[in-house]
This record gives sequence, structure tokens and C-alpha cells, in this order.
Amino acid sequence: DGGITQSPKYLFRKEGQNVTLSCEQNLNHDAMYWYRQDPGQGLRLIYYSQIVNDFQKGDIAEGYSVSREKKESFPLTVTSAQKNPTAFYLCASSINRRDRGYEQYFGPGTRLTVT
Amino acid sequence: DAKTTQPPSMDCAEGRAANLPCNHSTISGNEYVYWYRQIHSQGPQYIIHGLKNNETNEMASLIITEDRKSSTLILPHATLRDTAVYYCIVRPIYGGATNKLIFGTGTLLAVQP
Repeated sequence: DGGITQSPKYLFRKEGQNVTLSCEQNLNHDAMYWYRQDPGQGLRLIYYSQIVNDFQKGDIAEGYSVSREKKESFPLTVTSAQKNPTAFYLCASSINRRDRGYEQYFGPGTRLTVT
Repeated sequence: DAKTTQPPSMDCAEGRAANLPCNHSTISGNEYVYWYRQIHSQGPQYIIHGLKNNETNEMASLIITEDRKSSTLILPHATLRDTAVYYCIVRPIYGGATNKLIFGTGTLLAVQP
């Protein structure tokens, strides 16, 4: 099956620790994205990558870092500098399809809790 | 990007049509209207998009007013599995390098048995 996988589904960390969230896709999409969602809120863009070895900051990049060494993988590191890391993190990838425009496909998400 | 306004919540009886409105009064001529939905604790799922003509697919219909300042997503026969938050998003046709979607808070549709 083609799709996006994120692991783990639930993650618990102590304050002050860096943590890396995994995102893998086998859809052969060039572009990948990381979003953050807080309770009752919409999604906010953290980082995005249009191509391997290139990425740009989104609207709330402070306290996060990413890498894009392979087309299939776009891991997100939540650093200790992120003041409120507890949230639901969503990874997405996109392709320009004739019938769906720039449709974004989303993974199942990782719920991170930092105490 | 144009902003969208949606009601925070709506109810619908199972088997009836669900009509979800969206206002996008500042939309420009080169912007699409997209709809996504998010079932609790899952990633959003694409539903449909349109420019100025009405659109229909296996999931829903999209009705865009002639002045393009508002649209309605129609789920013709809502089921309990359609309970979700529905996002209306306006996005340029040519997204350029960013290609990002701006999600608001959406409409929580609760389908009642």
C-alpha cells in the first residue's frame, strides 16, 4: 500500500530532551510538510521541503529542526528550545495531480506529550 | 491567501444531507476552494476542490456561488462516519514554491443517529 507512515503514534518525553519524529512516504512525492495541531485549533505549518536536501521554515519553525536526505523521509526534531512541545504532529506530502490540484496526503500523526 | 469563515459546529441527522457553508469574500480569481476533513485524532483527508464551476465526486458535491465569495460542501447522505471537522481552504492555483494549505478551525459536523 502506498502512503505516509509516522511513528510512533504516541510519544512521551521529559522536558529538556530533544525528540525526533519519523515520517516516511512511498508515494514518490517531491514535497513534504510538518504541521502542528493544538486542541481545538487548525494546523500550523512548521517546516516544508520541496526537494531532497532543501527545506524552508514555515510559520512556527522556532524550536524545531528537520532534514531531507532522502526523498522518502522527512524527520522532525523537537528541540528543548521549543517552549510548548506537547501537541499533535502531522506529516504530509504532496503532488500536483490534474484532477486534485496540489492535494496533500497526511500521515496518521504523532501525539507528543512532554512533562 | 484569502481567509475563510466557517461556523464552528453543525448537527445533521444520519441519512440526511449535510450542507456545510464557507465564506471566502476576499477570494481572488486565481484561487481554488479546497475542502478537507479530519476525523478525530487522524490526519486530514482531501474531499474536493473547485474554481468556479460546481464539482461532484464520490464523496461530496461542492457548490460555489457565481461571485465566488462563498461555497457549500454537500454530503448527500450523511453517516455516523462523516462526523469530523471540515476545513474550507482557499489556495492559489499556482502555489509556487510554498504549496502550503492554511487551515482554520473548521466546522465540527456531528452526525446524529
